[in-house]
Amino acid sequence: DGGITQSPKYLFRKEGQNVTLSCEQNLNHDAMYWYRQDPGQGLRLIYYSQIVNDFQKGDIAEGYSVSREKKESFPLTVTSAQKNPTAFYLCASNKETGELFFGEGSRLTVL
Amino acid sequence: GEDVEQSLFLSVREGDSSVINCTYTDSSSTYLYWYKQEPGAGLQLLTYIFSNMDMKQDQRLTVLLNKKDKHLSLRIADTQTGDSAIYFCAESIKGYSTLTFGKGTMLLVSP
Repeated sequence: DGGITQSPKYLFRKEGQNVTLSCEQNLNHDAMYWYRQDPGQGLRLIYYSQIVNDFQKGDIAEGYSVSREKKESFPLTVTSAQKNPTAFYLCASNKETGELFFGEGSRLTVL
Repeated sequence: GEDVEQSLFLSVREGDSSVINCTYTDSSSTYLYWYKQEPGAGLQLLTYIFSNMDMKQDQRLTVLLNKKDKHLSLRIADTQTGDSAIYFCAESIKGYSTLTFGKGTMLLVSP
């Protein structure tokens, strides 16, 4: 079945460590997105990519990095520069209508 | 700038109708969406409406759009306990643009 797969679902990290969250889609969508979700704050856009080898910063890109080497894949690295990384991270992709399809999310906890 | 506002919480009894409201500020919005998020999961698209429509009905769901007041509502008829979730309103300007989300309305359905 077509969809978006995020891994891992749960991740624990020590302060000062970089971690990479995986996002893979087989929907043949050109655009992919990373959102961060915190309680009571809704979804905030971290990075997005509309085409392979190109990406743009969202509203809260500081402390994060991405790559888009393949259409199907858009990994997110949470670096040690991100001061408050504990959150629920959602990957999404879309087609021309703008309708977003979401993965099941990855919950990152910094110990 | 773009801004989407929602009330944070709604409580109803099983069998009643639920109405979740949303206001947006960008008059250039072309698509408006309703997403549902169950605990620990990603967002699932429920329905969307084009800005040139006033109403859209899909089984138990009715979406009403008042462009003059920039007000969007989602009515769920015969609300069930399985409808308990967070509901997000979102807007986009054109296809492939990023979506702007509200902070979500938590719907609690009691037996």
